[in-house]
Amino acid sequence: ETGVTQSPTHLIKTRGQQVTLRCSSQSGHNTVSWYQQALGQGPQFIFQYYREEENGRGNFPPRFSGLQFPNYSSELNVNALELDDSALYLCASSLSTANYGYTFGSGTRLTVV
Amino acid sequence: DQQVKQNSPSLSVQEGRISILNCDYTNSMFDYFLWYKKYPAEGPTFLISISSIKDKNEDGRFTVFLNKSAKHLSLHIVPSQPGDSAVYFCAAEYNNNDMRFGAGTRLTVKP
Repeated sequence: ETGVTQSPTHLIKTRGQQVTLRCSSQSGHNTVSWYQQALGQGPQFIFQYYREEENGRGNFPPRFSGLQFPNYSSELNVNALELDDSALYLCASSLSTANYGYTFGSGTRLTVV
Repeated sequence: DQQVKQNSPSLSVQEGRISILNCDYTNSMFDYFLWYKKYPAEGPTFLISISSIKDKNEDGRFTVFLNKSAKHLSLHIVPSQPGDSAVYFCAAEYNNNDMRFGAGTRLTVKP
């Protein structure tokens, strides 16, 4: 079985720009969550999608938005990038909304300059 | 608001000895606790979990203990092996979708 794949692996953007990060879930997984991990910190929950619907959101502004597609792949979109958005963005998928079955991707390292 | 705290950023133990990683939480609504392990350039890997209705869960060399009254959990690894060297994240969740992570503890197991 394939795991969770994220693209791109690294990205540099300018403040004010928009970015789209992509995630392919593990085969058979219908739930995907996105996390932001700043340097020296643990991952912070952004939001979760279950069967194409948002199923919970963390403390992130509306300029962080997402999509889940019928094949359960997902996108994270961030508008009006700020310097503090520089972080590792992790995608995790699971067979259900239960977190103990989550499989994480290797992440996308976003740098905002 | 740091609801899950790992106060030790690093821990070093000798191969064969016990590693004990600690985690404290503040939110009594958490109903599930997890430990993840992360190697460089990889995403976190689920290691072991425990429901809030239990106080111990064991899986091979890994045991997680939960003390609800103290809002504390710990991960014991025995015997520790050099391949266990990684960053370990404690996580807690409620409502099945909002998982909070600690900042991580870097474990180094010396041969």
